[in-house]
Amino acid sequence: DAGVTQSPTHLIKTRGQQVTLRCSPKSGHDTVSWYQQALGQGPQFIFQYYEEEERQRGNFPDRFSGHQFPNYSSELNVNALLLGDSALYLCASSRLAGSEQYFGPGTRLTVT
Amino acid sequence: GESVGLHLPTLSVQEGDNSIINCAYSNSASDYFIWYKQESGKGPQFIIDIRSNMDKRQGQRVTVLLNKTVKHLSLQIAATQPGDSAVYFCAAPRDSSYKLIFGSGTRLLVRP
Repeated sequence: DAGVTQSPTHLIKTRGQQVTLRCSPKSGHDTVSWYQQALGQGPQFIFQYYEEEERQRGNFPDRFSGHQFPNYSSELNVNALLLGDSALYLCASSRLAGSEQYFGPGTRLTVT
Repeated sequence: GESVGLHLPTLSVQEGDNSIINCAYSNSASDYFIWYKQESGKGPQFIIDIRSNMDKRQGQRVTVLLNKTVKHLSLQIAATQPGDSAVYFCAAPRDSSYKLIFGSGTRLLVRP
């Protein structure tokens, strides 16, 4: 049983560019959450998707958007990249009624 | 605003000793807490959780203690091993959506 998978592993982008990160949830999970983890910090909640809709959002600008597909996989899009967007982006999946979130290995985004 | 934080950024212990990692939280309405372990280059891994109707929960070599009076929880690792070296986060969901609020983490270093 595959756990949460994310792609790509690493990514380097230039300021002003746009990026798309991808996540496949653990089998049987229908809810996907995205987190941003800056170096030396704890993960910060970006948003959560369920039934292809954004259910809740953290304190992130509209440059951060997402999507969930019918197979429960998800994408995180970031437009007009800033240097401060450099971070590890984590995807976590869970069952709607479950209490445990399973994290993927993350995508390391570097903005130059 | 609500916060979940850890007392010490780094904890160094001798292999075989017990480790205690502490965490304080501000929201007295929090009813569920989770400890995660994050190894270098990986996403957070679930260790153990506890609900507010309990004050202690044990797992394999780990124990979580919850003191709701002072809004404090701790993670105890028995017979610490080199493989326990990682950053440990406590987290609590905000509301009932499982949006997790993470602390900044404690780095556990195990000396041989």
